[in-house]
Amino acid sequence: EVQLVESGGGLVQPGGSLRLSCTASGFTFSSFWMHWVRQAPGKGLVWVSHINSDGSRTRYADSVKDRFTISRDNAKNTVYVQMNSLRAEDTAVYYCARALNYDAPPRHWGQGTLVTVSS
Amino acid sequence: SYELTQPPSVSVSPGQTARITCAGDALPKKYTYWYQQKSGQAPELVIYEDNKRPSGIPDRFSGSSSGTMATLTISGAQVADESDYYCYSTDSSGYPLFGGGTKLTVL
Repeated sequence: EVQLVESGGGLVQPGGSLRLSCTASGFTFSSFWMHWVRQAPGKGLVWVSHINSDGSRTRYADSVKDRFTISRDNAKNTVYVQMNSLRAEDTAVYYCARALNYDAPPRHWGQGTLVTVSS
Repeated sequence: SYELTQPPSVSVSPGQTARITCAGDALPKKYTYWYQQKSGQAPELVIYEDNKRPSGIPDRFSGSSSGTMATLTISGAQVADESDYYCYSTDSSGYPLFGGGTKLTVL
């Protein structure tokens, strides 16, 4: 059974930083692209970033480009997102998700971790 | 910037057919994926590559795409199908995005 467990969320001040982690199990982690998707309170889903299976290719939404960095450690079955220069509008539940296959959209999702940016 | 446009809400009676649309200029050349999100839960993939169902998804869920419009159809909608539904695709350069979401009410 595919399992994805996010951690690292919490309250951070505007301008601050946070690193989210997502630990995977139940599949060969090193074979799949991984995504981060976020959802602000009461709002819709927004794709944030993805990373290919060996970590050599990444892509970002314009809203987070140059502030967020996605990475992965295949030895630890973990994908990360380093979030810098956080803004109030970054407040959201952040979901980690495994791709359906290759560079396809998310198939399996974690339960999410809440990030609140507020003073 | 590129957008996927969904109606904010759709309402049907139990047993009726619900249709949720997703409009985007790149859809003739890009696959559409559909996600169901029940209140307080993570999203779940219900249709991929326009019209394929993942294992475990009831066959009352189907998808189609024609021109710049993709459609999620729920035949014989049930109260349990009340959820937010999101389409997902990419623009011509492969940039991923979700539609704004549609709240389905079955009552």
